[in-house]
Amino acid sequence: NAGVMQNPRHLVRRRGQEARLRCSPMKGHSHVYWYRQLPEEGLKFMVYLQKENIIDESGMPKERFSAEFPKEGPSILRIQQVVRGDSAAYFCASSLATGATNEKLFFGSGTQLSVL
Amino acid sequence: SQKIEQNSEALNIQEGKTATLTCNYTNYSPAYLQWYRQDPGRGPVFLLLIRENEKEKRKERLKVTFDTTLKQSLFHITASQPADSATYLCALVEGNKLVFGAGTILRVKS
Repeated sequence: NAGVMQNPRHLVRRRGQEARLRCSPMKGHSHVYWYRQLPEEGLKFMVYLQKENIIDESGMPKERFSAEFPKEGPSILRIQQVVRGDSAAYFCASSLATGATNEKLFFGSGTQLSVL
Repeated sequence: SQKIEQNSEALNIQEGKTATLTCNYTNYSPAYLQWYRQDPGRGPVFLLLIRENEKEKRKERLKVTFDTTLKQSLFHITASQPADSATYLCALVEGNKLVFGAGTILRVKS
């Protein structure tokens, strides 16, 4: 009964490269959320997805960032042309069926992105 | 603007004492409030959810209160242990998403 799986655990990229972060939600969960956390700061919402649909991307920067949750396979957060300011911990969370309004979130262990 | 505020300074307490953490919010009318625990290098873990019509919720050594008039939730850990040392986050629903406070670091010393 695996929890939310994120990989890689650590990702190092040079400025200008692309970063792809993967998240497999808990079995039976169809709602996925991505959050970003900077040192000494709280979790900042980025995007909420259901299978094949982006529901809320209000926290996603307009450029360079994209997310998907295909019918098959993990959810992907993609950052193009990374800059040093993208360095952060990126957490994925999933919930069961009805969304975040009354559902607890299950978080993965995060991907620590470091941009050199 | 909407804000969630938690004690920015770490809370240091002695083992066996009760730890009390505060979560204040402005410009929200949440139907639910959640508390999570986060350990260094790990994702948050859900602890408790309290509804607006519930004044208090308990789970083992944990107790949460929710005062919608004061716009405040208090999170208590009784008989605290060094293993309770972590960052504790409160979270409110805003539309489709959970919005988190910055968290309070709790350190329990033996």
